[in-house]
Amino acid sequence: GNSVTQMEGPVTLSEEAFLTINCTYTATGYPSLFWYVQYPGEGLQLLLKATKADDKGSNKGFEATYRKETTSFHLEKGSVQVSDSAVYFCALITGNQFYFGTGTSLTVIP
Amino acid sequence: KAGVTQTPRYLIKTRGQQVTLSCSPISGHRSVSWYQQTPGQGLQFLFEYFSETQRNKGNFPGRFSGRQFSNSRSEMNVSTLELGDSALYLCASSPGTGIYQPQHFGDGTRLSIL
Repeated sequence: GNSVTQMEGPVTLSEEAFLTINCTYTATGYPSLFWYVQYPGEGLQLLLKATKADDKGSNKGFEATYRKETTSFHLEKGSVQVSDSAVYFCALITGNQFYFGTGTSLTVIP
Repeated sequence: KAGVTQTPRYLIKTRGQQVTLSCSPISGHRSVSWYQQTPGQGLQFLFEYFSETQRNKGNFPGRFSGRQFSNSRSEMNVSTLELGDSALYLCASSPGTGIYQPQHFGDGTRLSIL
């Protein structure tokens, strides 16, 4: 079946550290891939997306590349800030259905 | 511009009861989707409504149903509540149909089943 697996949290980093949150997927067909973010006290919001293999989504310094050969969509940021503290969800759409990972909590300390 | 509004924010019910949750989308948005979020299963897609018609549906039993009104407001109903229905229920809206559109999420309704 279709599913998304993302790395377990919580993740704690110091400000300006490099961030990677791993996400792998299993899907039939050609899924679109997404990263959603939920900041404390706020609703989920779309961070970035990629709709086909080798596409790179980017936003707010975050990047993720759709890797079909490794079925991955890892989220990266070169230098995190305290304001990046949030829960990050990897997701895919295939067959007109949404599948989400369980979320990874990130805390950035000054 | 007001965001997606969900009511109530918190709800406590007992097994066997039924519950109705409400979602008002962003003005001008015609698509409303519902999701269930639990610690064990994460976020799961329930269904999507557009122009008062259900367009997409996830893998949930028939106890979970919804509807959409002509003003795009949506309600979700869960009948014969079970303990496992305890979750955060999120609603999201988008301008057009299809869950490929960017989804704007509300803050959710926290449902607890006793």
